[in-house]
Amino acid sequence: QGPLVESGGGVVQPGRSLSLLCSTSGFTFSRYAMHWVRQAPGMGLEWVAFISYDGRNEYYADSVKGRFTISRDNSKNTLTLQMNSLRVEDTAVYHCARDHIPYIATGGTIDYWGRGTLVTVSS
Amino acid sequence: SSVLVQPPSVSVAPGKTARITCEGDSIGGERVHWYQQKPGQVPVLVIYYDGDRPSGIPERFSGSKSGNTATLTINWVEAGDEADYYCQVWDSSSDHVVFGGGTKLTVL
Repeated sequence: QGPLVESGGGVVQPGRSLSLLCSTSGFTFSRYAMHWVRQAPGMGLEWVAFISYDGRNEYYADSVKGRFTISRDNSKNTLTLQMNSLRVEDTAVYHCARDHIPYIATGGTIDYWGRGTLVTVSS
Repeated sequence: SSVLVQPPSVSVAPGKTARITCEGDSIGGERVHWYQQKPGQVPVLVIYYDGDRPSGIPERFSGSKSGNTATLTINWVEAGDEADYYCQVWDSSSDHVVFGGGTKLTVL
């Protein structure tokens, strides 16, 4: 299945909430910062959120700030994206992704991507 | 946060050289990374830190930067190189990842 596997996508109405989970394996999760990146159908890559390896730093795209929350559980090797007040324009495949360098507090580049989970926001 | 501008499309004949540019005010002060995404697949990192290649990426792929423009160069282009290519930086002034809009490389 690969080192990053997302789950939790589905169809949801505008204004509702959804939680995405990224299960990781094959590397020491607690050493690496993580990202969520989304891609709307037929469109380009859009960064969503970042969390540092220790969870102390979180950064968000302006389009989701205040609505989405990224978190991690280093004891369970999992990454989560809580999405509230969803909008039609949030419809996309959401990818969990690993930052390239261990033990960094801010982002750099991405070396592993999950296959993603599709979120469709529609009434 | 900053904006990265890429040409929507680039076409090149097999065996020739493809150059894909990425322009933005933040390019000069940040490290640039490049991804290749083939249809139905996840992105693959092909260049990081302006010009370094991850293991497994052919030497035909190279990256450079001058002023506010970064360039991905693919020498001896093959049919299998046909894909979308994205540039990316970490904008330290806003603590945001920024992707370019992507360039579709067509091998004629």
